[in-house]
Amino acid sequence: QKEVEQDPGPLSVPEGAIVSLNCTYSNSAFQYFMWYRQYSRKGPELLMYTYSSGNKEDGRFTAQVDKSSKYISLFIRDSQPSDSATYLCAMVEGGNNRLAFGKGNQVVVIP
Amino acid sequence: DGGITQSPKYLFRKEGQNVTLSCEQNLNHDAMYWYRQDPGQGLRLIYYSQIVNDFQKGDIAEGYSVSREKKESFPLTVTSAQKNPTAFYLCASSNSPGVKSEQYFGPGTRLTVT
Repeated sequence: QKEVEQDPGPLSVPEGAIVSLNCTYSNSAFQYFMWYRQYSRKGPELLMYTYSSGNKEDGRFTAQVDKSSKYISLFIRDSQPSDSATYLCAMVEGGNNRLAFGKGNQVVVIP
Repeated sequence: DGGITQSPKYLFRKEGQNVTLSCEQNLNHDAMYWYRQDPGQGLRLIYYSQIVNDFQKGDIAEGYSVSREKKESFPLTVTSAQKNPTAFYLCASSNSPGVKSEQYFGPGTRLTVT
């Protein structure tokens, strides 16, 4: 079993819809959780960074962490065509800086 | 304007040649990383360095070499021993462990070997 599982998609949604992405993990030592957005042929950019279980909101983006279920989610409200990208989840143990990445989930928002 | 720069953006080489990819950061980060990204495989760690003059192998280090002579620079050499070098290469940096662990990425270098 891979440390981090992420369904690669692709996921196509109409503009304005809610996008829901998720990752599961097996290592209970992971403490920090991140979501990156990567546009085609570009480097990933950090979108959200969370530590504790619960929700964190930033504009149209909400990151959710459920440590008891080893499950993290990213929600994008009122999706826009500019949200079309690949979204990668990443996580790391405390005191360590080797990130474990999911394979990425390609999202297409159709105008 | 702080950030990570990688050059060149596109690189073409003949099989059997070594090639060095550049990575520079002005974020004053201690740690730097090299990843390889292939379609459907996500990001795979090649090498990382937590401090100047020190580096460790990642998951797929064979056929690659690095140096870390300066805090801001972490060049990657793809040697002729790397069996499948054509890929998108990403450099990243972060603060030391124990501080915020998120990594910041450069724009990437797409290497094509024929």
